[in-house]
Amino acid sequence: GAVVSQHPSWVICKSGTSVKIECRSLDFQATTMFWYRQFPKQSLMLMATSNEGSKATYEQGVEKDKFLINHASLTLSTLTVTSAHPEDSSFYICSARDQQTKNIQYFGAGTRLSVL
Amino acid sequence: AQTVTQSQPEMSVQEAETVTLSCTYDTSENNYYLFWYKQPPSRQMILVIRQEAYKQQNATENRFSVNFQKAAKSFSLKISDSQLGDTAMYFCAFGRTGTASKLTFGTGTRLQVTL
Repeated sequence: GAVVSQHPSWVICKSGTSVKIECRSLDFQATTMFWYRQFPKQSLMLMATSNEGSKATYEQGVEKDKFLINHASLTLSTLTVTSAHPEDSSFYICSARDQQTKNIQYFGAGTRLSVL
Repeated sequence: AQTVTQSQPEMSVQEAETVTLSCTYDTSENNYYLFWYKQPPSRQMILVIRQEAYKQQNATENRFSVNFQKAAKSFSLKISDSQLGDTAMYFCAFGRTGTASKLTFGTGTRLQVTL
């Protein structure tokens, strides 16, 4: 089956630093990847849609300068949380859309970000 | 805009029994996809089952099946012979067709399977 690798699984950083999260599709090509944020006991909130070779599309209310997304290849998208603050602490999940199976999104295992 | 509603925040079922999770949605689209994803305590989202709206036949994956009622915009998930490993959050999701379709998730149903 399709596998999406997300790294790191847990990161702790100091306030004001930047953190990069990687999302890789291991056995398929993904022109489109998605980044979600999930608060405890809540559903997934889409932050942005990452398109290979072009700028990401951000959802309303998501700061593009705060959450930088790069999708430089068909298998890798990165999310950088810039100048992180405690309120950015959350669980971030990526997914990748498999072109072959159409419309199925396969998810990474998520990244727990704790900003001190 | 699409909306997805899961009206059951929590449910419990005994091992080996059958449970049905409800999901309704609202859309003006005629062709779309519906999904059930499972999120166990590990928080890894796992695809359980998928239904294409243009297919009348209900999707089935082993112990998991759906009751898709397009006119009623209802998409329930039935889990047969429940197992302890089925304990998880279950999210219903709506996806439009197209090259960059994004998913709209419901608020989830927490399912607890007990002995």
